[in-house]
Amino acid sequence: IAGITQAPTSQILAAGRRMTLRCTQDMRHNAMYWYRQDLGLGLRLIHYSNTAGTTGKGEVPDGYSVSRANTDDFPLTLASAVPSQTSVYFCASSDSFDNQPQHFGDGTRLSIL
Amino acid sequence: GQNIDQPTEMTATEGAIVQINCTYQTSGFNGLFWYQQHAGEAPTFLSYNVLDGLEEKGRFSSFLSRSKGYSYLLLKELQMKDSASYLCAALDSNYQLIWGAGTKLIIKP
Repeated sequence: IAGITQAPTSQILAAGRRMTLRCTQDMRHNAMYWYRQDLGLGLRLIHYSNTAGTTGKGEVPDGYSVSRANTDDFPLTLASAVPSQTSVYFCASSDSFDNQPQHFGDGTRLSIL
Repeated sequence: GQNIDQPTEMTATEGAIVQINCTYQTSGFNGLFWYQQHAGEAPTFLSYNVLDGLEEKGRFSSFLSRSKGYSYLLLKELQMKDSASYLCAALDSNYQLIWGAGTKLIIKP
């Protein structure tokens, strides 16, 4: 079934550790996004990629990095995790970086202790 | 600044109609999206409006007034499976989505 796959589903991590959240899509979408979702707040954009080889900063990029080596994969790395990064992380993709609907993965629930 | 406002929670009865309102303030505007999110799941796309007026799609309709910075999602013939959060999101001048916190809709039998 075509879609977006995120891994892991959930993770508990010690503060200060490095962590990479994986995201793969098989829809050949050009644009990809990483969001965090916290209780009582709307989804907040962390980083995005218009097309393979390019990335951009969203609303809350500090403490996170991304890469887009090919069309399908868009990993998100926390270089040194802090408790405030405890959240649910969603990866999404769209056909293009404009008004096309975004399709979401099932999310990664991350807890930093 | 950019802001999306929508009610935190609404309750409705199975078989009834409910309207979920959303007001937005963004730097530029390239359209308004509604998504549905069941608890513990991913958001799924419901509708997109960029022109003023009502767009109907089965039991769900979405309305936009650009001059008022206002949209609503109308759900008819409510079913128990419609219990979910409904997210309003506006596309700004940089084609980035600004999201509301979501409206949790509770359906009672």
